[in-house]
Amino acid sequence: KNEVEQSPQNLTAQEGEFITINCSYSVGISALHWLQQHPGGGIVSLFMLSSGKKKHGRLIATINIQEKHSSLHITASHPRDSAVYICAVRLLMNYGGSQGNLIFGKGTKLSVKP
Amino acid sequence: GAVVSQHPSRVICKSGTSVKIECRSLDFQATTMFWYRQFPKQSLMLMATSNEGSKATYEQGVEKDKFLINHASLTLSTLTVTSAHPEDSSFYICSLNPNGRYTEAFFGQGTRLTVV
Repeated sequence: KNEVEQSPQNLTAQEGEFITINCSYSVGISALHWLQQHPGGGIVSLFMLSSGKKKHGRLIATINIQEKHSSLHITASHPRDSAVYICAVRLLMNYGGSQGNLIFGKGTKLSVKP
Repeated sequence: GAVVSQHPSRVICKSGTSVKIECRSLDFQATTMFWYRQFPKQSLMLMATSNEGSKATYEQGVEKDKFLINHASLTLSTLTVTSAHPEDSSFYICSLNPNGRYTEAFFGQGTRLTVV
């Protein structure tokens, strides 16, 4: 079983729809990242969370540490949001976290149709 | 602007040749950089941790003699794929935490390596 699980794997939405991508993890973490990967491969960090909720424009990220779960929401989705969204966690030291590397989920491929 | 510069973005090479990928920190000193690899439809997986001025730490199953890492300065780490084989074809990406802080993460643009 992967330490970081994302769902859904693929998601197709119509422009304007509200989108939710989920991430569950099974290890102790110091932080959780939501990343965006475009078709060319480059990765952009969207959020880094250790508790609560963050908002940036149409993007909202939440995390529940007790339930080991995080969600990424996109409001009023747009075709330019089409990308792969990746959840990644940074392990606590007693879970084998060493120098700050991340463990990644497999990503959610989002396609927003006009 | 970009915090991490990685190049080349794409490279095609013949089997048996070596390929060097550079990862440069533009705005921060980075004593530690991370090299990840991503195969199609798979997660990014840590290959090695690059430490400035000392030997890299390799993950289990990653051959240190095949994937040579040099981190000679606080702003530059290089990954050299030696004697490349078609199974080394993958997407390689570097990452760093600015000034040793284990909170923010910045990524290079990635390198798509194709070995023919």
